[in-house]
Amino acid sequence: SQKIEQNSEALNIQEGKTATLTCNYTNYSPAYLQWYRQDPGRGPVFLLLIRENEKEKRKERLKVTFDTTLKQSLFHITASQPADSATYLCALDMNGGFKTIFGAGTRLFVKA
Amino acid sequence: DVKVTQSSRYLVKRTGEKVFLECVQDMDHENMFWYRQDPGLGLRLIYFSYDVKMKEKGDIPEGYSVSREKKERFSLILESASTNQTSMYLCASSLAHRGGPLHFGNGTRLTVT
Repeated sequence: SQKIEQNSEALNIQEGKTATLTCNYTNYSPAYLQWYRQDPGRGPVFLLLIRENEKEKRKERLKVTFDTTLKQSLFHITASQPADSATYLCALDMNGGFKTIFGAGTRLFVKA
Repeated sequence: DVKVTQSSRYLVKRTGEKVFLECVQDMDHENMFWYRQDPGLGLRLIYFSYDVKMKEKGDIPEGYSVSREKKERFSLILESASTNQTSMYLCASSLAHRGGPLHFGNGTRLTVT
């Protein structure tokens, strides 16, 4: 079955630096890959979606890459701010169905 | 903005009780989902529905059932609650086409004692 791996260790970075989070998946490539942000006690909030035929997607300070050969997506936050501190979830949409499966997420701490 | 509302933020129930978790969305979305979230395991799909009265099992449906009598409402039912169903339950909705983003509610933290 498809599995998603995100770094379970928290990522600590200094304000102003670029945060890079990794999402690796096994087996076959998904049709879509999504990134969500989740704050404590809240539901996940959608950030970006990238399709299998796209290499890169940007939205303001956010950038997502999708490498189907490496079976990996990278999520970058440039000029990071303390307000970016949250858990970031990677999610895959599988072909042929309505199922979106999620990774366990990576906790990001941005220090002022 | 899409709003997905879950009826309770916190619930405490006893083992063996029948538990209803309610979810309502206000954007006329066809698809609705129930996930549970546990530390280290991420979100796991319990059930989803792509139309009124339609339902499909997700990855962990055992011990749960669902009801979708109206398009905007999707209920999760724990027929006989057990302690291993203590978890955060998240409801989500999305438009009909595959791959669209999910819009989540803020979750119901259920404790079964």
